[in-house]
Amino acid sequence: EVQLVESGGVVVQPGGSLRLSCAASGFTFDDYAMHWVRQAPGKGLEWVSLISWDGGSTYYADSVKGRFTISRDNSKNSLYLQMNSLRAEDTALYYCAKDIGGSGIFGPFDIWGQGTMVTVSS
Amino acid sequence: EIVLTQSPGTLSLSPGERATLSCRASQSVSSSYLAWYQQKPGQAPRLLIYGASSRATGIPDRFSGSGSGTDFTLTISRLEPEDFAVYYCQQYGSSPRLTFGGGTKVEIK
Repeated sequence: EVQLVESGGVVVQPGGSLRLSCAASGFTFDDYAMHWVRQAPGKGLEWVSLISWDGGSTYYADSVKGRFTISRDNSKNSLYLQMNSLRAEDTALYYCAKDIGGSGIFGPFDIWGQGTMVTVSS
Repeated sequence: EIVLTQSPGTLSLSPGERATLSCRASQSVSSSYLAWYQQKPGQAPRLLIYGASSRATGIPDRFSGSGSGTDFTLTISRLEPEDFAVYYCQQYGSSPRLTFGGGTKVEIK
């Protein structure tokens, strides 16, 4: 079964740091780009970051650039998001998502995890 | 950045009726790189349509997508009870800058 399972979400104080993880199974992880997408409570979807299949290319939304770092370990079939200098507006459910691949560009996302909740509050 | 505007914000319909959802882009979406997702409460989004009109694996044929340039439509031909949800469009033509629309909620009338 193709599956993505996120972990690491907690309550953290403003200015704090956190590392999210996403464990992949059921597909050849290192064949695909991967993404992080977030959803604030009661709000819509916001793309956060992506990483190419080999980790050689990374991209970020302007809202997180310079604060968040995406990485992957293909030997462990795992995706990560290091989140620094957290703000209240980073409070959201964070999803990892698999790129559909095969089109020569990034997107869309055909497999999603169930998400991990990050709450930034004092 | 391409901004996607979805309308209406909420669509109130009865099971068996036809649903037409709109997604308008602030500039032309390259090569119709437009996708639609469905999200039910407490669940992750599910890919329905990509490339403006191609159904994702396992998606029933009552879901169809159309459009090009700046105007795109998701049509659900006959609403089933399980189709009441929030729908998002996403453009990936300006990849790697990927953006989502604000969503349309399809609710039971």
